[in-house]
Amino acid sequence: DAKTTQPPSMDCAEGRAANLPCNHSTISGNEYVYWYRQIHSQGPQYIIHGLKNNETNEMASLIITEDRKSSTLILPHATLRDTAVYYCIVRVAGAAGNKLTFGGGTRVLVKP
Amino acid sequence: NAGVTQTPKFQVLKTGQSMTLQCAQDMNHNSMYWYRQDPGMGLRLIYYSASEGTTDKGEVPNGYNVSRLNKREFSLRLESAAPSQTSVYFCASSENVPTGELFFGEGSRLTVL
Repeated sequence: DAKTTQPPSMDCAEGRAANLPCNHSTISGNEYVYWYRQIHSQGPQYIIHGLKNNETNEMASLIITEDRKSSTLILPHATLRDTAVYYCIVRVAGAAGNKLTFGGGTRVLVKP
Repeated sequence: NAGVTQTPKFQVLKTGQSMTLQCAQDMNHNSMYWYRQDPGMGLRLIYYSASEGTTDKGEVPNGYNVSRLNKREFSLRLESAAPSQTSVYFCASSENVPTGELFFGEGSRLTVL
């Protein structure tokens, strides 16, 4: 699975959009980009995933660059409850039981 | 809908003691996983099971054994606990489809003295 690079931390103002970058320059053509988050010490929660097209759901938007070497997770209107560690993961979909390899993630602090 | 349930939520062991962490899911998922998370670190995969009757090693399997009892249950056993196994353990499950998301339990906090 391709390695990802994320900033270790970032702050965001409540009500503003939070843009979380992720670099995955060694991504292969059949690898998906997944985003999970972990609030405090709870179990991680799935947010969104994509292959090459931009994706949007009720939680967030995922923008993947045309060369697929980087992506951005967008939380459109950050709330205090979005304070969490966000993990960007790249893997081949369906390979060996869908197991995920977590890196260090980005610690996001949403401030009032 | 309970999702993924882990027991116990907290446990303190002495070095050398054994214990089993239990995990059950009610979503009829084929795949189940055990991860550990040390303080300030990301999650690391210990073992996973892609289907009932099969198990495979992850990144950090040493010191652990697993058992996929049936489709619902996946247990993690520490035969002789060591202080280095002090961690938070998370169980997860997913469907066996290419983009199946993982659903995680609330975690089991284990301290080995």
